[in-house]
Amino acid sequence: GAVVSQHPSRVICKSGTSVKIECRSLDFQATTMFWYRQFPKKSLMLMATSNEGSKATYEQGVEKDKFLINHASLTLSTLTVTSAHPEDSSFYICSAPTGRDTQYFGPGTRLTVL
Amino acid sequence: QKEVEQNSGPLSVPEGAIASLNCTYSDRGSQSFFWYRQYSGKSPELIMSIYSNGDKEDGRFTAQLNKASQYVSLLIRDSQPSDSATYLCAVLLDQGGKLIFGQGTELSVKP
Repeated sequence: GAVVSQHPSRVICKSGTSVKIECRSLDFQATTMFWYRQFPKKSLMLMATSNEGSKATYEQGVEKDKFLINHASLTLSTLTVTSAHPEDSSFYICSAPTGRDTQYFGPGTRLTVL
Repeated sequence: QKEVEQNSGPLSVPEGAIASLNCTYSDRGSQSFFWYRQYSGKSPELIMSIYSNGDKEDGRFTAQLNKASQYVSLLIRDSQPSDSATYLCAVLLDQGGKLIFGQGTELSVKP
């Protein structure tokens, strides 16, 4: 299947700092990427759709000023968690669609905010 | 509200048995359905996609779709301990390519 990478895989930061997570499609171009968040023992919750060349669209209840998304190129989307707080600690996963709407997921980024 | 429902489990089966995982969805207009496997601490891995009514087989996995009943299932034959994971059912919404996930079913295959 298609390959999607994420960086970093794990990050620990202090409360109030910002953290940037990168998502790259390695062997295909993606005009759209998706960002999910997963809390322990819970399912994936879609946060936002990242669109190359235009603004991201956010799901209801997701603060766009807190979770900044930039789709800089056809292979790169970034999610910046601004002024992170302990309740933002979670597993953040990106995905990119290819072929017939099949989405491939990155390996995820585990964020811990102290 | 577009919803996807799964039994959370845990579902425990002995090694070599058939594991049956079920999923229902609320959006009657959905056309694309996916099963993902997620090991603890890892991201989801695509197992099967299914688009038409009936069965689709891939190795030990068989996906079944019944659009009239809004029901998708995944059968795992000859279950192995390495199949122990959480299985996520996902439905593609008509607009925007968004995937909606069920809460996942935790499967445990006992040696």
